Amino acid sequence: GEDVEQSLFLSVREGDSSVINCTYTDSSSTYLYWYKQEPGAGLQLLTYIFSNMDMKQDQRLTVLLNKKDKHLSLRIADTQTGDSAIYFCATVTSGNTPLVFGKGTRLSVIA
Amino acid sequence: DVKVTQSSRYLVKRTGEKVFLECVQDMDHENMFWYRQDPGLGLRLIYFSYDVKMKEKGDIPEGYSVSREKKERFSLILESASTNQTSMYLCASSSEAEQFFGPGTRLTVL
Repeated sequence: GEDVEQSLFLSVREGDSSVINCTYTDSSSTYLYWYKQEPGAGLQLLTYIFSNMDMKQDQRLTVLLNKKDKHLSLRIADTQTGDSAIYFCATVTSGNTPLVFGKGTRLSVIA
Repeated sequence: DVKVTQSSRYLVKRTGEKVFLECVQDMDHENMFWYRQDPGLGLRLIYFSYDVKMKEKGDIPEGYSVSREKKERFSLILESASTNQTSMYLCASSSEAEQFFGPGTRLTVL
């Protein structure tokens, strides 16, 4: 079945850019997502990209999709301590199938 | 804004008890999901539902059942709670492209 892989940890300094990477195996993925989870909370949908797009920008967030390499990344500009959280990548092939999640990347922001 | 609510943030139950976790969404979504989240294992899908009275098994349905009698409500049932069901339980609902999560219920089974 579909597999989504992420590195487990990332540490950056406040004010730097963070780049969180994700690879997936199913080339028929239609939507690709980034979620944020703060301690003790549910998952918050940050952004998502349709598979026919290469890039999506939303304020400090930039999503890049390389369909050929099945690689998705999330760039957070000017990273703040409030960005410290676990970030999950997820993919879906159609509206009525469940999302497939990576195990999450824990982002630590050092002041 | 989409709202997915879960009946409890924290719950403590004893082994063998029957446990009900309730989830309600207010966006008329067809699809609803139950996951559990454990350290090192990520999110694992327990059950999902595409419509009222419909249910599909996810990756780890053993020891759980679900009920969807109304579109807005999806219940997860632990028929006889066991200590290995201590976990964070997350409910979600989705439209075509967007899936939204509730705040989670941290269940401890003693």
